[in-house]
Amino acid sequence: QQPVQSPQAVILREGEDAVINCSSSKALYSVHWYRQKHGEAPVFLMILLKGGEQKGHDKISASFNEKKQQSSLYLTASQLSYSGTYFCGTENEDSGYALNFGKGTSLLVTP
Amino acid sequence: DTGVSQNPRHKITKRGQNVTFRCDPISEHNRLYWYRQTLGQGPEFLTYFQNEAQLEKSRLLSDRFSAERPKGSFSTLEIQRTEQGDSAMYLCASSPPRDRTQYFGPGTRLTVL
Repeated sequence: QQPVQSPQAVILREGEDAVINCSSSKALYSVHWYRQKHGEAPVFLMILLKGGEQKGHDKISASFNEKKQQSSLYLTASQLSYSGTYFCGTENEDSGYALNFGKGTSLLVTP
Repeated sequence: DTGVSQNPRHKITKRGQNVTFRCDPISEHNRLYWYRQTLGQGPEFLTYFQNEAQLEKSRLLSDRFSAERPKGSFSTLEIQRTEQGDSAMYLCASSPPRDRTQYFGPGTRLTVL
């Protein structure tokens, strides 16, 4: 049930764009995106619900393809503060509110 | 806004001892979750409460683990007879009514020697 994230790691120069993907083998009700910096708690970025409702960050966007059970997180004009590990958490249609997290994508933005 | 708080932030214990962690959710959040995270992995779901009712528990959760939320406010997670494999970051999250967003606390880092 654990979603698969890609890429595992990415290095960007400040101002460049990145896309992080998340895919599941099970039907999804929602996808949640978080960023975690070393030694800190995951910070909520975005939630995408089945049916198209979204809520999240004004500088980060995401898509949710319900049929393909996939989501992508788009980071545009990256800033140094974007560095960290990005996790997608998926809520299956039969999992209640429990989130299944991927292994994460490590993002490093350099000057 | 006061976020989710967890205590203690760090706990070192010897194998075989019992430990208890506390989580205080954001005010008026009715759902509370416990997750465990090991190095290089995403959080792993343990259990969640809606108000004081424990509605779901991971099948991976050993019977040495127990959680309570007696008055629907704060929650405790107890691990009995700790093992070295229990060493991890224990994260708590909470959600407001009619919203599926989960807000995480800073975590309690457990080290079992």
